[in-house]
Amino acid sequence: VQLLQSGAEVKSPGASVKVSCKASGYMFTTYYIYWVRQAPGQGLECMAMINPGGSTRYSTEKFQDRVTLTSDTRSAYFQLTSLTPDDTAVYYCARKTIASLTSGFDVWGQGTKVTVSS
Amino acid sequence: ENVLTQSPVTLSLSPGDRATLSCRGSQTFISNYLAWYQQKPGQPPRLLVYGGSIRATGIPGRFSGSGSGTDFTLTISGLEPEDAAVYYCQYDTWTFGQGTKVEIK
Repeated sequence: VQLLQSGAEVKSPGASVKVSCKASGYMFTTYYIYWVRQAPGQGLECMAMINPGGSTRYSTEKFQDRVTLTSDTRSAYFQLTSLTPDDTAVYYCARKTIASLTSGFDVWGQGTKVTVSS
Repeated sequence: ENVLTQSPVTLSLSPGDRATLSCRGSQTFISNYLAWYQQKPGQPPRLLVYGGSIRATGIPGRFSGSGSGTDFTLTISGLEPEDAAVYYCQYDTWTFGQGTKVEIK
């Protein structure tokens, strides 16, 4: 079971970034995919989720105007627009089973470092 | 929104000691929605406990979660050198605490 994310990105302020998360080893449609970021030296911030097997997608109020979530048969995609230096962080995808409301994020991607700098 | 406050910020203990990490909510928890993670430098977090007290697959028995109301605890009984990490609590998927760093002397 693995989530494999795309490579590091360096972006200019105002640009957009798109991160991919490819799943393997399990039935993709039976788990939600969440996106969590971690700014340098900081804690974890849960930003958004998508149900690859359905139409549900959600972003927290802080990000709902800047996040686009998509998926195909084996991958989930996270796009963040209007980047600022404050968006510099490692972005993780993580899965959570659809079958239980009380489960945690049991598998994580390796993280994608996004640097926003002029 | 249930704001999670973890304490202490840093815990410095010796191998074999018991570590007690606290996660306090600004509102009463539904304990089943509480999870704990361990994160080592340069690695993604690892799920330790979910449902308040259920150890995730492959997690050693020295890790245990407990609590009720607004106060939850992660206990590491018999610290090992490899337990040096930052530990985060998470409530209802969307909210993380700020973390507790465990140092091994």
